[in-house]
Amino acid sequence: ETGVTQSPTHLIKTRGQQVTLRCSSQSGHNTVSWYQQALGQGPQFIFQYYREEENGRGNFPPRFSGLQFPNYSSELNVNALELDDSALYLCASSSGVGELFFGEGSRLTVL
Amino acid sequence: SQQGEEDPQALSIQEGENATMNCSYKTSINNLQWYRQNSGRGLVHLILIRSNEREKHSGRLRVTLDTSKKSSSLLITASRAADTASYFCATDRSGSARQLTFGSGTQLTVLP
Repeated sequence: ETGVTQSPTHLIKTRGQQVTLRCSSQSGHNTVSWYQQALGQGPQFIFQYYREEENGRGNFPPRFSGLQFPNYSSELNVNALELDDSALYLCASSSGVGELFFGEGSRLTVL
Repeated sequence: SQQGEEDPQALSIQEGENATMNCSYKTSINNLQWYRQNSGRGLVHLILIRSNEREKHSGRLRVTLDTSKKSSSLLITASRAADTASYFCATDRSGSARQLTFGSGTQLTVLP
């Protein structure tokens, strides 16, 4: 167990809806990253937050947005859901150097 | 887009055999990491090798890095059925503020 918890574990939405995914970082970690993993693919970097500021963004449209809170927990919001947004969304926390500690992910299905 | 590519995409071996997976990447890196993922679960960090290192060991794992060829290999010795999982390499590109770029993974199946 990494100490990174994500919720919900599974959810189903319809096209056009909005979704919020949540992540609680491992104690002592001030950096959180979000990744999208489509079936059969490796994770793709969405964005990273460090001390409540976005600190890097991958090739994802603006309808993917995030927040990091003072306790270093984080949210990923996706607006105007599309079918291709169906994926496993992974949150990872770190102290800034070395390895990432991943949660178990939130499985999103868009119908 | 994926930075790295793992080879092979799938590997099936008998328990006790060694498993070797390869990873190639495209840009300069600070370090390269290997992660393991059981089906549908989160990723677990296995080992990190820095760009100035050539080989690293951790238990039954051996990782090599050749920055001139932009490639790495992961060797799992004396494999066990519990090693069955997907294995991903991930690179931490120079100047990228800790953004990992993952390969597409190798699905390892260890038969009892």
